[in-house]
Amino acid sequence: GAGVSQSPSNKVTEKGKDVELRCDPISGHTALYWYRQRLGQGLEFLIYFQGNSAPDKSGLPSDRFSAERTGESVSTLTIQRTQQEDSAVYLCASSYTGILKNIQYFGAGTRLSVL
Amino acid sequence: AQSVTQLGSHVSVSEGALVLLRCNYSSSVPPYLFWYVQYPNQGLQLLLKYTTGATLVKGINGFEAEFKKSETSFHLTKPSAHMSDAAEYFCAVSANTGNQFYFGTGTSLTVIP
Repeated sequence: GAGVSQSPSNKVTEKGKDVELRCDPISGHTALYWYRQRLGQGLEFLIYFQGNSAPDKSGLPSDRFSAERTGESVSTLTIQRTQQEDSAVYLCASSYTGILKNIQYFGAGTRLSVL
Repeated sequence: AQSVTQLGSHVSVSEGALVLLRCNYSSSVPPYLFWYVQYPNQGLQLLLKYTTGATLVKGINGFEAEFKKSETSFHLTKPSAHMSDAAEYFCAVSANTGNQFYFGTGTSLTVIP
């Protein structure tokens, strides 16, 4: 498809389990972002990938959170030993670089519920 | 560093009335400013953006916003609200030299018939 695709759209897990969330960016977009959106709150930056450069991980809330991206393609966000406070919508966005780099295109998100 | 403050987490307007959603930012460098809209169970969609040039920017669905440097504001307006405008609106700022985006906490717009 033409847009950013995220899967699964919904994920229910038990406390302590690991989860993996997937993001397929728009083809040709070298930059990729992960955000967390808790209920009733704004977007919280998690991590940023730009091409083959080292990712900006400054927003990851704990070492239970990690993300990978191979080249300029799919990214996965992994949360280990999930906690109830991890329940949120996880949004992925991608963008071009250069003069157009500031326009982000968002996926519909993955709604994570930790029981 | 950049940050965004959206005044009013909930705004209600009557159909046909003026919509005004407030956004103030702080930035140590010239900012790029954005408004995004989020409909239920959907991702964010870009409404409009300011990078350089004309300070009054027009976006989709009849929305516009004005960059006022002296007031560090980027308020979103629409002359006449429509029922379909009911959604969550987010203001965001990015430095023209950086990679990170900073989002406000959002304003939920309700349109009353």
